[in-house]
Order: sequence, then C-alpha cells, then structure tokens
Amino acid sequence: DAGITQSPRYKITETGRQVTLMCHQTWSHSYMFWYRQDLGHGLRLIYYSAAADITDKGEVPDGYVVSRSKTENFPLTLESATRSQTSVYFCASRPGRTGELFFGEGSRLTVL
Amino acid sequence: GEDVEQSLFLSVREGDSSVINCTYTDSSSTYLYWYKQEPGAGLQLLTYIFSNMDMKQDQRLTVLLNKKDKHLSLRIADTQTGDSAIYFCAESSVRGSTLGRLYFGRGTQLTVWP
Repeated sequence: DAGITQSPRYKITETGRQVTLMCHQTWSHSYMFWYRQDLGHGLRLIYYSAAADITDKGEVPDGYVVSRSKTENFPLTLESATRSQTSVYFCASRPGRTGELFFGEGSRLTVL
Repeated sequence: GEDVEQSLFLSVREGDSSVINCTYTDSSSTYLYWYKQEPGAGLQLLTYIFSNMDMKQDQRLTVLLNKKDKHLSLRIADTQTGDSAIYFCAESSVRGSTLGRLYFGRGTQLTVWP
C-alpha cells in the first residue's frame, strides 16, 4: 500500500536492550524525520534526513542512531534502551524542504 | 530552538465554535501549520497559512494570523464530536541550519460535548 508505515506498532523491551523501529515510505520523498511524542512535551525531533546517506541531529538525538541507505527506509535504533526512552515515536516524510509533512501511525515503545 | 506555545485543553459544546490559540517566536517563519491528531493515530495536516496572509478560510476552518503579535488561531465553526482530537500548531524554520524544520507546540486537547 502507498504511504508511510512504521513497525512495530507496539514494543515492550527491557533496559539495556537494542531496539530498532522501522519506517518505510513509498512516495520517494527526499526528507524523512523521526519525532518522539511525550505528555507535556508535544513532538520533539530526534533525527532527520534530507536524502539517502544524509542525516542530521534534531533536538533530542542522544541515545539514538539512524541510517538511510535507501531513500524509502529510515530506521531508528536505540542502542541501549533506557526508561526515559519510553514514548510514542513518529516517522514522517516530505517531498522537499518545505511543505506538508506526512506522518506514520506511530510506534509505542515501553522500556521496563 | 523555536518556541511554540499553546493552551493544553479546550472543551466546547457540539454546535459551538472552537478557537485554539498559538503563539510562536520566529517572526521570519514563512509557513504556519495546524495538524490534527486523533487517538492512536499520527498527525494529519489540517490547514496552513503563508506568512503574508492574515486569514485563510477552508469550509468550517478559519485561520487568523497576527504577525505583529506572533499569534495564530484556528477557529472551527459548528464543532462536532468528531472534531475531538489534539491540535498542534507548528512553525517552519527559515534559518539556514534548520531550514524547513517544523517546531511543534505541545498540542491542545479539544473535547466536544454532545
């Protein structure tokens, strides 16, 4: 199906484990983003990518790693999960530098 | 980074008008957005306004922009229970290092009572 999809939608893990959240878009959008949504904080940008092999830090990048070897995929990895990374994670994409941002359905991560 | 402020909660009766307010800090922002988030879903673009406009109307939605006061509002006429959601205001950065990055407010939870 066309669009932007995230997986898994729900994940429970333990402190110290590695977790990867996947994001896939079928529009060939150049820009992709990872946000986290927390009560009281709204959406905060973790990392973004302007094109394949080009990534940059957002507001809250610590503890996260991203890669973008293909235009359509933008995985987010928590190398050693902490409880403070319990959150809802949203992937988004956009054709260019400005314009509408298209969001995935979100991945709810709980770190015990 | 940029600072976008919104009130957190708004309750209205079905059929009334809702007004959600937002203030932003970057006077050079070119686009300002309103996104809607329904429970368990991602954000969807509701409407946007270009900075050289004062008002934009789209069916039941009216966006007002006061650039002098850096104030943005979203008015929903004849509010329905299906409008219950979280509404996010966002501004688009025009600074070189963060060009195009969106800065979101914390969101306003709109509850519509029947």
